[in-house]
Amino acid sequence: DGGITQSPKYLFRKEGQNVTLSCEQNLNHDAMYWYRQDPGQGLRLIYYSQIVNDFQKGDIAEGYSVSREKKESFPLTVTSAQKNPTAFYLCASSIRSVAGPEQYFGPGTRLTVT
Amino acid sequence: AQTVTQSQPEMSVQEAETVTLSCTYDTSENNYYLFWYKQPPSRQMILVIRQEAYKQQNATENRFSVNFQKAAKSFSLKISDSQLGDTAMYFCAFRPPSNTGKLIFGQGTTLQVKP
Repeated sequence: DGGITQSPKYLFRKEGQNVTLSCEQNLNHDAMYWYRQDPGQGLRLIYYSQIVNDFQKGDIAEGYSVSREKKESFPLTVTSAQKNPTAFYLCASSIRSVAGPEQYFGPGTRLTVT
Repeated sequence: AQTVTQSQPEMSVQEAETVTLSCTYDTSENNYYLFWYKQPPSRQMILVIRQEAYKQQNATENRFSVNFQKAAKSFSLKISDSQLGDTAMYFCAFRPPSNTGKLIFGQGTTLQVKP
């Protein structure tokens, strides 16, 4: 089955620790995205990558880092510099095209930092 | 800045009835794309429908249709014959014409379908 996987579904960390969220896709998509979702708010873009070994900051990149060493993988690290890391994190991917493709989403990871 | 506004935080509808969710957006672009996504309690984001701004015809997908008013920058979603499985949060999203593929989301509307 083609799709996007995110693991784990729930993640708990102590304040001050870095944590890495996994995102893998087997859709052969070039572009991948990370969003954050807070209660009562829409999705906000953290980072995105259009091609391997290249990525750009989104609207709320502070306190986060990413890597894109493989086409299939786009892990997100939530660092201790992120002031409010508790949130629901969604990964998405799409083909790289100016034709306006939709994005396909993974099931998400709920991160709780205490 | 490009923004998307969903002015209805919560809505409810009786099963089998029709409901319309509102979305407005702000942009100076002429060619762009609009989407409606559904997020059920499982929190999986599912694409419901898409609309290309250069197309005058409103998009339709089974029980889901849109009313796209380009001049008014309005993009509402109509759900006909509502089903219990339509209970979800619905997000309107705008994609500018650049090739970054970035989506700008509205705040969402929580829809409850009542039996």
